[in-house]
Amino acid sequence: NAGVTQTPKFRVLKTGQSMTLLCAQDMNHEYMYWYRQDPGMGLRLIHYSVGEGTTAKGEVPDGYNVSRLKKQNFLLGLESAAPSQTSVYFCASGTFHRFFGSGTRLTVV
Amino acid sequence: GIQVEQSPPDLILQEGANSTLRCNFSDSVNNLQWFHQNPWGQLINLFYIPSGTKQNGRLSATTVATERYSLLYISSSQTTDSGVYFCAVEETSGSRLTFGEGTQLTVNP
Repeated sequence: NAGVTQTPKFRVLKTGQSMTLLCAQDMNHEYMYWYRQDPGMGLRLIHYSVGEGTTAKGEVPDGYNVSRLKKQNFLLGLESAAPSQTSVYFCASGTFHRFFGSGTRLTVV
Repeated sequence: GIQVEQSPPDLILQEGANSTLRCNFSDSVNNLQWFHQNPWGQLINLFYIPSGTKQNGRLSATTVATERYSLLYISSSQTTDSGVYFCAVEETSGSRLTFGEGTQLTVNP
């Protein structure tokens, strides 16, 4: 039982490049979330999903897209990366108790 | 949206000391959780506590929902307790977990 798994763990992108972050959970949770954490701050919600095929905007959705084609997977995409998207990205799943992945450290240069 | 304030922002303790962390929130909630982010960045769910009191070893938490605050108690602190403690709440009307800015705890040997 792996819980919530994020890939990759680290990535460096050049401005304008695109990439996809993958989140997988094996707890059969309906709800999944993507957060970003910037230095000295708490986590801010980017997008979330309340079930397969659904997505919704969170607090800071601009510049990101998401897809939930399968219940166990939640993908976060950056179409044209910007230096302001340098951050640590966390995926989480769960309705009441939230379980977090170990994070993806993304640097955009 | 709901506001979450944590205090103190920073706390330095000697090993063996006790501490109390506070979380104030601005609206009714149906979900409140305490998380510990260790120095490696991993987020660990400590308590799901929208109301009442819970204990887990040296840690305990109390939420007084009617007065809109929660307290996290750490007794006989250890160096492994170091890290950032986050309070996160979810409004009664929503499905988003909003994080406070955290309390940075340092426990010195």
